[in-house]
Amino acid sequence: QITLKESGPTLVKPTQTLTLTCTFSGFSLTTNGVGVGWIRQPPGKALEWLGVIFWDDDKRYSPSLESRLTITKDTSKNQVVLTMTNMDPVDTGTYYCAHQDYDSIDYAVYYYMDVWGKGTTVTVSS
Amino acid sequence: IQLTQSPSSLSASVGDRVTITCRASQGIASYLAWYQQRPGQAPKLLIYAASTLQSGVPSRFSGSGSGTDFTLTISSLQPEDFATYYCQELNSFTFGPGTKVDIK
Repeated sequence: QITLKESGPTLVKPTQTLTLTCTFSGFSLTTNGVGVGWIRQPPGKALEWLGVIFWDDDKRYSPSLESRLTITKDTSKNQVVLTMTNMDPVDTGTYYCAHQDYDSIDYAVYYYMDVWGKGTTVTVSS
Repeated sequence: IQLTQSPSSLSASVGDRVTITCRASQGIASYLAWYQQRPGQAPKLLIYAASTLQSGVPSRFSGSGSGTDFTLTISSLQPEDFATYYCQELNSFTFGPGTKVDIK
């Protein structure tokens, strides 16, 4: 059974750096094709994809946030860490991590987020 | 790539057939997923590759489309289906704005 859990501060001040940890079980981030993604959701608003790290340490980030984001992994601890710099009140919301799996259909490969953590709420305020 | 969804919200009754549309700003072949999010919960994957039902998802959910136009259909709406539904493009991982389904 795959599970993921986000942890980190619930309150950060503007301009500070946010560090969130995703601790997972039930899979290994050394398995071919597997990844862990980060998604956030401002209160009452839509989901926003932030980035993903794959088993081979390949990383992809949202173009609009790439300059502020860093995602790293520690496979020995089964953890993925998201760092977001220069936090602003508009960054307030729920932050989720998710297991990213893939499927090959008709020679095309599809990556999707099949198991999500419950999310952690982050408020940016002075 | 940008995704739009229509309608942004709808009211329906238990047993109704519901269709939600997702449109991509450019062709994305079948690189689309659908998620359900109930209030206060994390999203749940329903469909990927436009029409492949995720394991454990009830068969009343179905997806179709390719290129720029996609649909999610719920054949007979159940009480637990009242939620917000998001589409996601599976190359850029961009999400659509969501469609809220509530009780009529």
